[in-house]
Amino acid sequence: GESVGLHLPTLSVQEGDNSIINCAYSNSASDYFIWYKQESGKGPQFIIDIRSNMDKRQGQRVTVLLNKTVKHLSLQIAATQPGDSAVYFCAENRGAAGNKLTFGGGTRVLVKP
Amino acid sequence: AAGVIQSPRHLIKEKRETATLKCYPIPRHDTVYWYQQGPGQDPQFLISFYEKMQSDKGSIPDRFSAQQFSDYHSELNMSSLELGDSALYFCASSLASGGAATGELFFGEGSRLTVL
Repeated sequence: GESVGLHLPTLSVQEGDNSIINCAYSNSASDYFIWYKQESGKGPQFIIDIRSNMDKRQGQRVTVLLNKTVKHLSLQIAATQPGDSAVYFCAENRGAAGNKLTFGGGTRVLVKP
Repeated sequence: AAGVIQSPRHLIKEKRETATLKCYPIPRHDTVYWYQQGPGQDPQFLISFYEKMQSDKGSIPDRFSAQQFSDYHSELNMSSLELGDSALYFCASSLASGGAATGELFFGEGSRLTVL
């Protein structure tokens, strides 16, 4: 059976507040970054992406910030809703060609009503 | 809209047995990826196929093999199963834009393999 305990960093946030999820990457050559959301028992779902020639990109209620100097990526979720409760992964594209994604460690977001 | 279909959703096997997982990509997607996700872990890339040819290889054990067929569906074959193979196996598909990396992989719901 499954091992007990998922030792993921957890962010607890009040419904309506903003959430910030952080991610550090290691490969300076990575030129494409993506945030995925994974709900329990489901596959990862694309949220937003950003190329290395940008430092900010906005979507609907989400913003991704990229700091190449310190190899840091963040995802900001505005007005967090109960449906935002999930595990969030950052991923980088290290493939010379194609879309091989390397996922970073996930962060569990728990939205409190 | 059609999504990535994986089967079976759940599979229980004994040690040293063999398992086969199937993946049907989104229609017109030409690239398929396999990922393995252990409990509390991030997805680990196993292997990918573009136009039925292996395009990239990750941390796939030698006991595993995969292929993409003429109808673009893919199968992941796992032999001599070990307890540590228990995990969620995700298939994803994408449409390569002339080889440009877009990163938008569409994942299936996963196949949960339990090895006893």
